[in-house]
Amino acid sequence: GEEVAQTPKHLVRGEGQKAKLYCAPIKGHSYVFWYQQVLKNEFKFLISFQNENVFDETGMPKERFSAKCLPNSPCSLEIQATKLEDSAVYFCASSRRRDKNTEAFFGQGTRLTVV
Amino acid sequence: GDSVTQMEGPVTLSEEAFLTINCTYTATGYPSLFWYVQYPGEGLQLLLKATKADDKGSNKGFEATYRKETTSFHLEKGSVQVSDSAVYFCALSESGGSNYKLTFGKGTLLTVNP
Repeated sequence: GEEVAQTPKHLVRGEGQKAKLYCAPIKGHSYVFWYQQVLKNEFKFLISFQNENVFDETGMPKERFSAKCLPNSPCSLEIQATKLEDSAVYFCASSRRRDKNTEAFFGQGTRLTVV
Repeated sequence: GDSVTQMEGPVTLSEEAFLTINCTYTATGYPSLFWYVQYPGEGLQLLLKATKADDKGSNKGFEATYRKETTSFHLEKGSVQVSDSAVYFCALSESGGSNYKLTFGKGTLLTVNP
């Protein structure tokens, strides 16, 4: 597609429940990024993929968070046993190649609310 | 590590006023610099970018110049409109080694009143 598509737009989970977010990058883009935007607008990098391979996972919480990008499927970000502090908007972005000059295109985000 | 510092605001202006949002950065290599804009309830959109020292990025009346000597990339617009009300993020990107991601500032909320 011509835009990064994220689903769902909104997700509400009770504390301890699992949350799964999806992202379809722009066709032809090799890199996918996940960012978490918390209350005061701050963006935190979580993880990036080069095709289906993890490229950089230095931002991922070691427990409870996992992500995948499988061939012919949307990428996913899964949070096991959600906590209140996981409430945030999760953005996915994609870029065509690994080049600092290349624009990253962002999806509309998934707002996760943990109650 | 890399970091971006921008004035946090909020910034409130009247229509047609001059806008400056300051942004400075720290980077190990030679990053590209970006301004992204987030309108209410939406994702991020690239506003402008500059890829090397002294480059000027411009779009929709906004401008920013990559100043290596002061490690700055300040955003300016000569005459703001109500429709410019949004959150503005300064960001940098490097691609050396395994470092390929955007590092963002904390965002500046701009409100323009008619």
